[in-house]
Amino acid sequence: AQTVTQSQPEMSVQEAETVTLSCTYDTSESDYYLFWYKQPPSRQMILVIRQEAYKQQNATENRFSVNFQKAAKSFSLKISDSQLGDAAMYFCAYRSAETGGTSYGKLTFGQGTILTVHP
Amino acid sequence: DSGVTQTPKHLITATGQRVTLRCSPRSGDLSVYWYQQSLDQGLQFLIQYYNGEERAKGNILERFSAQQFPDLHSELNLSSLELGDSALYFCASSVAGYTDTQYFGPGTRLTVL
Repeated sequence: AQTVTQSQPEMSVQEAETVTLSCTYDTSESDYYLFWYKQPPSRQMILVIRQEAYKQQNATENRFSVNFQKAAKSFSLKISDSQLGDAAMYFCAYRSAETGGTSYGKLTFGQGTILTVHP
Repeated sequence: DSGVTQTPKHLITATGQRVTLRCSPRSGDLSVYWYQQSLDQGLQFLIQYYNGEERAKGNILERFSAQQFPDLHSELNLSSLELGDSALYFCASSVAGYTDTQYFGPGTRLTVL
């Protein structure tokens, strides 16, 4: 079974600075997807960024980028020019890209990292 | 707004009772997923439906059941409720299956007293 680990329960950053959130995962599969979701105080789960494992290029969405190291099974999220609205719980998630089996479609989440942004 | 709707937003009930949570997927999405978020278990996958059929099952208790209707909305039924069932229940939807991004609804907060 796949597991996702976020080793930083809490992180903080000054407004306009850069912060990196860590995520590692364990899988025997070669094809999969990785995601970062953001959960603000409203509790809504919001997709931040998505990475396909077969792509070597790291995904980027505006101020959000990832460092995907497939061999090391590491998937960190970098937030540049942090804003007050970035304060939230961030979840790393894994999804198999292999068809069939009982885990088809399932997202496996890490424990989450609470990000605080200081003005 | 993800386009996924869930009702009700909040639900307070007593142990032993039965409740139904409802989810309407984004327009055009065929897959619906249910997740439970609790303090001790974190975010856990419960079950997935695709175009009316069960596609994948996670750590869903036997007291819980779900279905997806012909209009593609889904319901999660929780029975013989226990205090430990108190959690935030999310529905997510995607266009089809395993290659698609899941978009989450706002969740239903269930409190069992």
